[in-house]
Amino acid sequence: GQQVMQIPQYQHVQEGEDFTTYCNSSTTLSNIQWYKQRPGGHPVFLIQLVKSGEVKKQKRLTFQFGEAKKNSSLHITATQTTDVGTYFCARGGATNKLIFGTGTLLAVQP
Amino acid sequence: DTAVSQTPKYLVTQMGNDKSIKCEQNLGHDTMYWYKQDSKKFLKIMFSYNNKELIINETVPNRFSPKSPDKAHLNLHINSLELGDSAVYFCASSQSRGNQPQHFGDGTRLSIL
Repeated sequence: GQQVMQIPQYQHVQEGEDFTTYCNSSTTLSNIQWYKQRPGGHPVFLIQLVKSGEVKKQKRLTFQFGEAKKNSSLHITATQTTDVGTYFCARGGATNKLIFGTGTLLAVQP
Repeated sequence: DTAVSQTPKYLVTQMGNDKSIKCEQNLGHDTMYWYKQDSKKFLKIMFSYNNKELIINETVPNRFSPKSPDKAHLNLHINSLELGDSAVYFCASSQSRGNQPQHFGDGTRLSIL
């Protein structure tokens, strides 16, 4: 259906290591948004991807949208302790309805 | 200035009670949402309103009733609270044109005893 799966569910890294989370859909996505939720906090919008094969960068974060628009990834280079949190992808649809992925919890050990 | 504010932040109450959560946004957005986040962090849309009109109404028990007195406010009333209602409830807002970013409130942590 419209569900969006994210892997991994949880990742523990040493500070300075890279991190990637993947978002997969069985159906074509019209667009994908990424959000970050710090522990005890609320989801905060990071970016939106719309075009097939699109790549966007925000400092150490790189976001990619698959050529077939069925998957997306978020890559963090050289993680820092401030990167800790749960990263969600969300598929956009009609009436601004967002269907959130299952999330990836990132833990960073100093 | 807080963009999307919810009250209360915490709500601890007994099963069977009725409670309300209020939400206000000062971003000038025309669409507001309620989400439920369970203990496994799964975030699910419940309702959305556009200019006071109900747009999205997911499969939610009718004990949950949203109300939007104007486009800057969206409240959530819950009747006959059950143990399974324990969760964090987030209000969010956005513009309606296209899939605009959604701005979330700090959440209301509801615990049912």
